[in-house]
Amino acid sequence: QKEVEQDPGPLSVPEGAIVSLNCTYSNSAFQYFMWYRQYSRKGPELLMYTYSSGNKEDGRFTAQVDKSSKYISLFIRDSQPSDSATYLCAMIYRSSNTGKLIFGQGTTLQVKP
Amino acid sequence: DTAVSQTPKYLVTQMGNDKSIKCEQNLGHDTMYWYKQDSKKFLKIMFSYNNKELIINETVPNRFSPKSPDKAHLNLHINSLELGDSAVYFCASSQGGARGWNEQFFGPGTRLTVL
Repeated sequence: QKEVEQDPGPLSVPEGAIVSLNCTYSNSAFQYFMWYRQYSRKGPELLMYTYSSGNKEDGRFTAQVDKSSKYISLFIRDSQPSDSATYLCAMIYRSSNTGKLIFGQGTTLQVKP
Repeated sequence: DTAVSQTPKYLVTQMGNDKSIKCEQNLGHDTMYWYKQDSKKFLKIMFSYNNKELIINETVPNRFSPKSPDKAHLNLHINSLELGDSAVYFCASSQGGARGWNEQFFGPGTRLTVL
């Protein structure tokens, strides 16, 4: 069983839809939680990060962490075709002294005009 | 441009060959990483260097050997290439990556195809 589970999709939505992307994890020792966006044939780029339970908002994006359920989400409001990409969740252990990121498999999102 | 750069971008080679991928960052970071992304987009850490010292060495065949000549460079040499080595290899860097979390900046990737 992978440490971080993420539905690979693909997920296809119409422009303007609200998108919900999710990851679950098995180890409560994870402390930092990130979402990376990866466009086709490009490297991942950091979208959002958080280290506490609750919500964090940045424009059309909201990251949500529920440590009690070991569940994190990324919501995209008013989705645009330019949001079409693979979204990767990533986590780091509380005790990490190496900066080692554990990634989910990534969810491929397509937003249709 | 301040960035993480990799060469080559594409690499097509025969089984059994030896090849190298180079990575350079001009962000002034002290930690660099190599990741492998398979055909299902699963991204997994391979190695990490902090101030030229190896700090992460995952369960990777010893055919893979990283080398960090200085803080700005991290190269990956692969001996006796196998079909299963076909993947996209990403270099990344961060500042102070040895503890906790610091944002990792990724390069554009090197797409390796072994025939």
